[in-house]
Amino acid sequence: QQPVQSPQAVILREGEDAVINCSSSKALYSVHWYRQKHGEAPVFLMILLKGGEQKGHDKISASFNEKKQQSSLYLTASQLSYSGTYFCGTDLSGSARQLTFGSGTQLTVLP
Amino acid sequence: EAQVTQNPRYLITVTGKKLTVTCSQNMNHEYMSWYRQDPGLGLRQIYYSMNVEVTDKGDVPEGYKVSRKEKRNFPLILESPSPNQTSLYFCASSLYGDRGTNYGYTFGSGTRLTVV
Repeated sequence: QQPVQSPQAVILREGEDAVINCSSSKALYSVHWYRQKHGEAPVFLMILLKGGEQKGHDKISASFNEKKQQSSLYLTASQLSYSGTYFCGTDLSGSARQLTFGSGTQLTVLP
Repeated sequence: EAQVTQNPRYLITVTGKKLTVTCSQNMNHEYMSWYRQDPGLGLRQIYYSMNVEVTDKGDVPEGYKVSRKEKRNFPLILESPSPNQTSLYFCASSLYGDRGTNYGYTFGSGTRLTVV
């Protein structure tokens, strides 16, 4: 079952922060996050494994709440290059053979 | 350069004319997968393969075939394309991990298919 992402779209000014949420109705083993710029392929950002760990990548970090089956992606002091569509992919099996992706969150960062 | 290569990038075809979209990776990845992307629906998995000669259905396999005769190649075959298969297709590859390990996917540049 497809995870639910929120919000569907967000518009920011450079330097502002954003949070993107990904929720599942099923127990998750891991959550993947990807960013896709217009006309390009999705690019892998990070994986969160169950256990509630938090990861960071430059000014982009994420958390995974195993009890709530929810992951959040945090974009801090956003840059123009952060614009794109963000997808979460959820894994139930532990081997990521069948990632199920959300419908995406379109992030636009304005100067 | 480590990459997943898809061909063609763009394809317009007519209903019923068989076609193949090729996918090749140079990273020695065991796992490969095909996704289609449609507006508002995100990425939906068509087929995946965990290694040579091992393939399995994803969420939307109807109307598609795949084969994995070599580790690097994973072609997507549409035997009789129909207009509802008009979409953006992505091939992806990854190291394969047993339960307890997870690796990110590397995606190809995509193939935009139009069936008229």
